[in-house]
Amino acid sequence: AIQMTQSPSSLSASVGDRVTITCRASQGIRNDLSWYQQKPGRAPKLLIYAASTLQSGVPSRFSGSGSGSDFTLTISSLQPEDFATYYCLQDYNYPWTFGQGTKVEIK
Amino acid sequence: QITLKESGPTLVKPTQTLTLTCTFSGFSLTTSEVSVGWIRQPPGKALEWLALISGDDDKRYSPSLMSRLTVTKDTSKNQVVLTMTNVDPVDTATYFCAHSPRISMIRGARPYNWFDPWGQGILVTVSS
Repeated sequence: AIQMTQSPSSLSASVGDRVTITCRASQGIRNDLSWYQQKPGRAPKLLIYAASTLQSGVPSRFSGSGSGSDFTLTISSLQPEDFATYYCLQDYNYPWTFGQGTKVEIK
Repeated sequence: QITLKESGPTLVKPTQTLTLTCTFSGFSLTTSEVSVGWIRQPPGKALEWLALISGDDDKRYSPSLMSRLTVTKDTSKNQVVLTMTNVDPVDTATYFCAHSPRISMIRGARPYNWFDPWGQGILVTVSS
């Protein structure tokens, strides 16, 4: 199975900061990757699919990039509602696999 | 509007069989372009992909759980059922189902998949 390694596992940031989360695949996955935001006690929410396509209704401060094995989720200006845990998911082949998550906390 | 909701027991005993139902609306699970997936999350831990069933009845499973999982669909009821045999306390988790479209951005190109939206999840505790 393809392993997805996210970094960092957690970070502390302030409102207005630029935040970057990375996801590395153990092999090339083209751009078959999506990003999710999960708040405590809630179901994950899709942010980005196909590595860089913003889901409808998601604020433009979120962006995704990458192809092959290295991917990035960027929040250009962190807002209070963005404090959450973020996950990547590869759907290049089965079994689909998630990263271990990145928790974004308030500094 | 697409919605999904998980239902089933919240407490099961070790060695028993867990049966969870995902009832959905807003789409039909009748073509290869739509799937429903199951994902779980142990308390405080990461998401784990479990299984996927497509509208053409293609089924995929996590290799580590394949021997214990079965996923089926009932298109007349708009339901997908996940069965897990011989449960153990390590199977304690919130179980989510999610809609997964399969979309080609360019005609004829390999399609992309993702999960959107998700059900609210159901916390299942395995304990004697």
